[in-house]
Amino acid sequence: GQNIDQPTEMTATEGAIVQINCTYQTSGFNGLFWYQQHAGEAPTFLSYNVLDGLEEKGRFSSFLSRSKGYSYLLLKELQMKDSASYLCAPLGEAGTALIFGKGTTLSVSS
Amino acid sequence: GAVVSQHPSWVICKSGTSVKIECRSLDFQATTMFWYRQFPKQSLMLMATSNEGSKATYEQGVEKDKFLINHASLTLSTLTVTSAHPEDSSFYICSAMGFGETQYFGPGTRLLVL
Repeated sequence: GQNIDQPTEMTATEGAIVQINCTYQTSGFNGLFWYQQHAGEAPTFLSYNVLDGLEEKGRFSSFLSRSKGYSYLLLKELQMKDSASYLCAPLGEAGTALIFGKGTTLSVSS
Repeated sequence: GAVVSQHPSWVICKSGTSVKIECRSLDFQATTMFWYRQFPKQSLMLMATSNEGSKATYEQGVEKDKFLINHASLTLSTLTVTSAHPEDSSFYICSAMGFGETQYFGPGTRLLVL
């Protein structure tokens, strides 16, 4: 089975830094994805971690600890347009579908 | 790169009719595509895995005779909602497995059954 745990909602202000945590349990592990989903739209790919450590990509960074079943997405210099749901999706068996939890809804205010 | 399109983006139909949704990988070949459904304020729910040249694999609780999936080529998968009813109204999203294990999502299709 698969279990994904993320906070349901988070709020932050423009220019701030926010960290969205995700813990997971999977049978098999072939990496962990983060997606961003704006209301009414499909998810867009943000990052993929397969090895432990931090991957930085512009204002967004993602961290993975496989032994702890833990990942986080770090968003810096928040902008209003970053208000969206952020989906943590571990990949169990290679070549299989991603299973999503409810994600974390981030609201950025001015 | 790694662009996935869906057509149509919106469809409104009468109860009892069938609706076909196309999912295309525009700049890469996708042996495997996935179909999801999302109700308002709910998470994405996997409906089926579509493999080119073979039968789709459906998730538990998804009726294969109602949701027909055809993956006829490496760039096209179709989902046909047969005899649609109001409870089938939802946001249908496909994804295609691109480089490595990354899945790229289409923009989604909103279905409203009256």
